Amino acid sequence: GQNIDQPTEMTATEGAIVQINCTYQTSGFNGLFWYQQHAGEAPTFLSYNVLDGLEEKGRFSSFLSRSKGYSYLLLKELQMKDSASYLCAVSLNTDKLIFGTGTRLQVFP
Amino acid sequence: DVKVTQSSRYLVKRTGEKVFLECVQDMDHENMFWYRQDPGLGLRLIYFSYDVKMKEKGDIPEGYSVSREKKERFSLILESASTNQTSMYLCASRERGAPNQPQHFGDGTRLSIL
Repeated sequence: GQNIDQPTEMTATEGAIVQINCTYQTSGFNGLFWYQQHAGEAPTFLSYNVLDGLEEKGRFSSFLSRSKGYSYLLLKELQMKDSASYLCAVSLNTDKLIFGTGTRLQVFP
Repeated sequence: DVKVTQSSRYLVKRTGEKVFLECVQDMDHENMFWYRQDPGLGLRLIYFSYDVKMKEKGDIPEGYSVSREKKERFSLILESASTNQTSMYLCASRERGAPNQPQHFGDGTRLSIL
């Protein structure tokens, strides 16, 4: 079966750094996506990792370890607008994605 | 930019009605998807289409059907709506055979079945 785990909720303070973890066990692997979803809106693409290591994109970075079935999304210099759900999704060896249940991040002043 | 458009943001229907949710994408993507999103359950795939008139069941197809008569349009049909189908429905499209390309989502339809 397919399994993707992420924490349900996290809180952090404006200006701080937060790390959202994702572990996966899937029958295939063609990369891992992170999406951001504000309440009542569509998920929007943040990052894609297929090789081990860190990908940096502005305030957001994403890390992948294929041998450990593990990824994290790192958000620096948190802003209030970063309050959202963050979805981890694995691309299988087809065209489909398997999504985790998402991590709801609340940023406080 | 990819644009995925869902016909309604909010929809209220009655139990037993046949309900149509429409989705159109403008990027000539072969793959289109219908998900439902429920609190604590995340995004669950209902149906997937990889070409015109081609479809594949997802994880929760019961009570739903789909139609893909044109490449840009993918319709989700609730044959006889029930209250447990009250949910947020999200349509997505993606380029086929390009695993590094993300799925692009519509704004979603919040469907209430009374």
